[in-house]
Amino acid sequence: AQSVTQLDSQVPVFEEAPVELRCNYSSSVSVYLFWYVQYPNQGLQLLLKYLSGSTLVKGINGFEAEFNKSQTSFHLRKPSVHISDTAEYFCAVKGVQGQKLVFGQGTRLTINP
Amino acid sequence: DAEITQSPRHKITETGRQVTLACHQTWNHNNMFWYRQDLGHGLRLIHYSYGVQDTNKGEVSDGYSVSRSNTEDLPLTLESAASSQTSVYFCASSGEVESPLHFGNGTRLTVT
Repeated sequence: AQSVTQLDSQVPVFEEAPVELRCNYSSSVSVYLFWYVQYPNQGLQLLLKYLSGSTLVKGINGFEAEFNKSQTSFHLRKPSVHISDTAEYFCAVKGVQGQKLVFGQGTRLTINP
Repeated sequence: DAEITQSPRHKITETGRQVTLACHQTWNHNNMFWYRQDLGHGLRLIHYSYGVQDTNKGEVSDGYSVSRSNTEDLPLTLESAASSQTSVYFCASSGEVESPLHFGNGTRLTVT
C-alpha cells in the first residue's frame, strides 16, 4: 500500500516570492506521482505528473516538481507566485500496478500582496 | 469536450433519509471513484469501480453503496444518512493505470 505525507498544512507567502510545497511518500513498489490543485468551490485539477524518465517535471501555471527516489519525495515549486495561485494543493501517489490514487492531506497556499 | 458532472451541487437532508448522489462521465473511462473531502483528512476513498458490474469498497465505505450498470454512471447512495456524513463528495474517473483522475465539481451534502 502507498501513503503520502504533506509536511505543511498551510503555507503563506508574499506575491512574487518563490514557494515550495513538500510531499513525501511511502511505497514498497514503483509509483506514479501527481500534484493536483483545488480552487475554492471547485473540483481538483491536475497540475503535473511523474510517470518515468526525467525527474524534473514541469506542469501548468509555471509549477514544477522534482522526483527524488532516494528521499521518497516529490516537492512542488514555483519561482514566483501570483495572487491567483491561492488554492489548496494535493500530492497523490499510485502504485504502477494499481488503480487507486492515495492523497495527502493537502497544503493551503495563501498569497499575500 | 468530455466531462464529468455531479448532481446536485448542494443537498440538505435529514438524519435517517436515503440520499443518492449522481455522477456521470463522458470520457468513456472504465474506472470511477467516489471520494469525500473533510477538513484535516484530505480526500478519502469511499467506493470505486473498474468497469460495469464491478464495485469495490474503499477506506471509508461504511454507510455507503454504489452500483455500476453502465460505463457512464456511478451513483453513490447513503442508505440512512448520518450527521457524520456531512461532507463534500467528489466523483472522479480515469483511463489507463498511468492516467490522472478527472474530477467533478463536487456535491456539498449537509445532514441535519
